[in-house]
Amino acid sequence: AQSVTQLGSHVSVSEGALVLLRCNYSSSVPPYLFWYVQYPNQGLQLLLKYTSAATLVKGINGFEAEFKKSETSFHLTKPSAHMSDAAEYFCAVSTDTGGFKTIFGAGTRLFVKA
Amino acid sequence: ETGVTQTPRHLVMGMTNKKSLKCEQHLGHNAMYWYKQSAKKPLELMFVYSLEERVENNSVPSRFSPECPNSSHLFLHLHTLQPEDSALYLCASSQAQGLAGPYEQYFGPGTRLTVT
Repeated sequence: AQSVTQLGSHVSVSEGALVLLRCNYSSSVPPYLFWYVQYPNQGLQLLLKYTSAATLVKGINGFEAEFKKSETSFHLTKPSAHMSDAAEYFCAVSTDTGGFKTIFGAGTRLFVKA
Repeated sequence: ETGVTQTPRHLVMGMTNKKSLKCEQHLGHNAMYWYKQSAKKPLELMFVYSLEERVENNSVPSRFSPECPNSSHLFLHLHTLQPEDSALYLCASSQAQGLAGPYEQYFGPGTRLTVT
């Protein structure tokens, strides 16, 4: 069975500071991993995805994530936070044997202080 | 219209009402999903349709009834709901899963449902 754990339901950073959102997964087979972002009153939007190619994945809006199999982690980072990054971020895991079932984490709300 | 659209955006209904949520995707995808998003809980997958056939039904109460008349449209029919059903209902679409691995999902903005 697959699962996703996002550490920290809320993260607060200052504008210009490093953003680090943590995600750990559990999967008995090689996983596909995703980060989605949800802005207020909107649906989820894909930031980036890992599908067993490069372990460092670059996404939109300057975000990137690194797949670390030994740590079963897929943390999301951005070197310099912008006010517009304030949103909720979801890590998700799926497998090619999991059919259509993508498991989402509980989400981390990012606050950016001026 | 582009992407995934959902109507209505907000819905207030009594426990004895019958209403329907509509989702339409303009992306040429052939899989569609309903999710329930409640405060402080992970996204819950409710139903999945692939090529207009239901392939997932995650123990959802029968008061929720999905319908997928074609690959572009998805409905969620609601009747005799409970207050705990109040949530944001999200529709998503994707390519059907295949040898290339799971495809990312494209989400609509959701319908905010309040059951009184």
